[in-house]
Amino acid sequence: KAGVTQTPRYLIKTRGQQVTLSCSPISGHRSVSWYQQTPGQGLQFLFEYFSETQRNKGNFPGRFSGRQFSNSRSEMNVSTLELGDSALYLCASSLDGGASYNEQFFGPGTRLTVL
Amino acid sequence: DAKTTQPTSMDCAEGRAANLPCNHSTISGNEYVYWYRQIHSQGPQYIIHGLKNNETNEMASLIITEDRKSSTLILPHATLRDTAVYYCIVRAAGYNDKLIFGTGTRLQVFP
Repeated sequence: KAGVTQTPRYLIKTRGQQVTLSCSPISGHRSVSWYQQTPGQGLQFLFEYFSETQRNKGNFPGRFSGRQFSNSRSEMNVSTLELGDSALYLCASSLDGGASYNEQFFGPGTRLTVL
Repeated sequence: DAKTTQPTSMDCAEGRAANLPCNHSTISGNEYVYWYRQIHSQGPQYIIHGLKNNETNEMASLIITEDRKSSTLILPHATLRDTAVYYCIVRAAGYNDKLIFGTGTRLQVFP
């Protein structure tokens, strides 16, 4: 079974630009979550999508947005990029089948550098 | 979600058991203990989880104290490939895929 895939793996942008990152979950997984990892703040939850709806949201400004498509693939968008947005962006998927826990499977991440 | 406290770093000799502690003294009754690890520059990897009973799988064992205020992840025979940051996370069961990562423990396995 293929794992979570993220594209692109590396990206360089300049301040003020916008960027779109893509995540393809494991086949059959319906929940997709996004995380930002920086050396200063560590791993922080951005948002989670399930059935094309945002179900959970972290404490990030409105410049960070996302969406999920009917095939469960997800994209996240960051507008008006700032230097502090340089980070590893991780996507995770889970089955969300109503079990007592939801194991999350993470992708390799997209490393975004803002110059 | 309850907060966790872990040592910043630990060393372990290859072939020996690595015991990684985690304190979660404010854990509530419906919260599970999860362990993930992150090898350098990769996405976090799920290891194991438990509620109140000890758990074992092919990767590790999880020992949870009777009062559930702390737990220990045991890697029975550490290898160099186990060098990683290990995160202990507590979260409620159900439809909540939000993981709150702390700073984790950086485990260095040496030859």
